[in-house]
Amino acid sequence: DGGITQSPKYLFRKEGQNVTLSCEQNLNHDAMYWYRQDPGQGLRLIYYSQIVNDFQKGDIAEGYSVSREKKESFPLTVTSAQKNPTAFYLCASMRGRVRSDIQYFGAGTRLSVL
Amino acid sequence: QKEVEQNSGPLSVPEGAIASLNCTYSDRGSQSFFWYRQYSGKSPELIMFIYSNGDKEDGRFTAQLNKASQYVSLLIRDSQPSDSATYLCAVKDAGGTSYGKLTFGQGTILTVHP
Repeated sequence: DGGITQSPKYLFRKEGQNVTLSCEQNLNHDAMYWYRQDPGQGLRLIYYSQIVNDFQKGDIAEGYSVSREKKESFPLTVTSAQKNPTAFYLCASMRGRVRSDIQYFGAGTRLSVL
Repeated sequence: QKEVEQNSGPLSVPEGAIASLNCTYSDRGSQSFFWYRQYSGKSPELIMFIYSNGDKEDGRFTAQLNKASQYVSLLIRDSQPSDSATYLCAVKDAGGTSYGKLTFGQGTILTVHP
């Protein structure tokens, strides 16, 4: 089955702790994205990557870090510098640059602070 | 800052009626436009996309685009209770280094009552 797998589904962070959210895709898509969604809000872009070993900051990158060592994987680390990390985190991927190319989403990770 | 604006609602329509969802965007260079449906606690799923002026129909859904007015809408005919969800409008960047970044509106909550 082709798709985007995010894990874990729920995650709890202690004060001062870094946590990593996993995102894996087997769609052979070039681009991958991380979004944050707060209750009653739309999605805000954290980071995105067009190719392996390259990524760009989105609109709200502060307190987050990413890596793209493999085409299939784009993990997101929520660092202790992110003071308000409680949110729904969504990973997406897209095939290429054609205007009709679509971003597909994983099931999401819900992060809470203990 | 590129902006996408939606009426947050909630929009309430009776079963069988037409639901009309609206979205405006600030960047005239935007190339394509997407409507996602998001059920509570779930990830967004694509309903329709459009990139040419005019109407595009798919079953009970019609997307309408007017680039001169920077306006895109989604009509849902014969609304069903299962259509009750949040509808997210997303606008794709024109290209270059932004590589298909999507900017999302805050979403419109639709409730279809029997």
